[in-house]
Amino acid sequence: GAVVSQHPSRVICKSGTSVKIECRSLDFQATTMFWYRQFPKQSLMLMATSNEGSKATYEQGVEKDKFLINHASLTLSTLTVTSAHPEDSSFYICSARDASGTNYGYTFGSGTRLTVV
Amino acid sequence: KNEVEQSPQNLTAQEGEFITINCSYSVGISALHWLQQHPGGGIVSLFMLSSGKKKHGRLIATINIQEKHSSLHITASHPRDSAVYICAVRSGGNEKLTFGTGTRLTIIP
Repeated sequence: GAVVSQHPSRVICKSGTSVKIECRSLDFQATTMFWYRQFPKQSLMLMATSNEGSKATYEQGVEKDKFLINHASLTLSTLTVTSAHPEDSSFYICSARDASGTNYGYTFGSGTRLTVV
Repeated sequence: KNEVEQSPQNLTAQEGEFITINCSYSVGISALHWLQQHPGGGIVSLFMLSSGKKKHGRLIATINIQEKHSSLHITASHPRDSAVYICAVRSGGNEKLTFGTGTRLTIIP
């Protein structure tokens, strides 16, 4: 089945530094990648939708200059948390939809737990 | 009121019990998804439904479009079924998913 590989799974960084999270679709082409954030015991919150070759669409309240998204190819999307602060500590997870046909199934990455100290 | 409501929020059961998790939604949808999130955080897509019923192993998902309601059933539950189960809906041509708050299931041996 479709697989999305997300790295790193866990990262600890110092305040003020930037962290890049990668999501790769391994056996399918993902024209659309969704980036979510999840706080403990809460549901997924959509941050942005990235489309290959175009600018990401950010949800209301999400700072596009802080959460940089790049979707340069059909198999790779990256989320960079710039100038990270402790309040950015969270669980980040990506999801991709297979570009082929009308299958609207979603495949999720394994998530990245970010801790900013 | 959330567009997608799940019940119960928490469920603890003994191994072997039949489990039912419910999802109600208030918008028109093109598909409903059931997802499983394990303690480590990874999410697995269990079912995508637009009508009727689907079965995979011990898992059964049903949807009633008229009543805007879906259920996820687990037969012969096992401790490894312990996870958070999330209902999510997609509306019209929109690719975005709207998520329920999840049901935390704990199966006791």
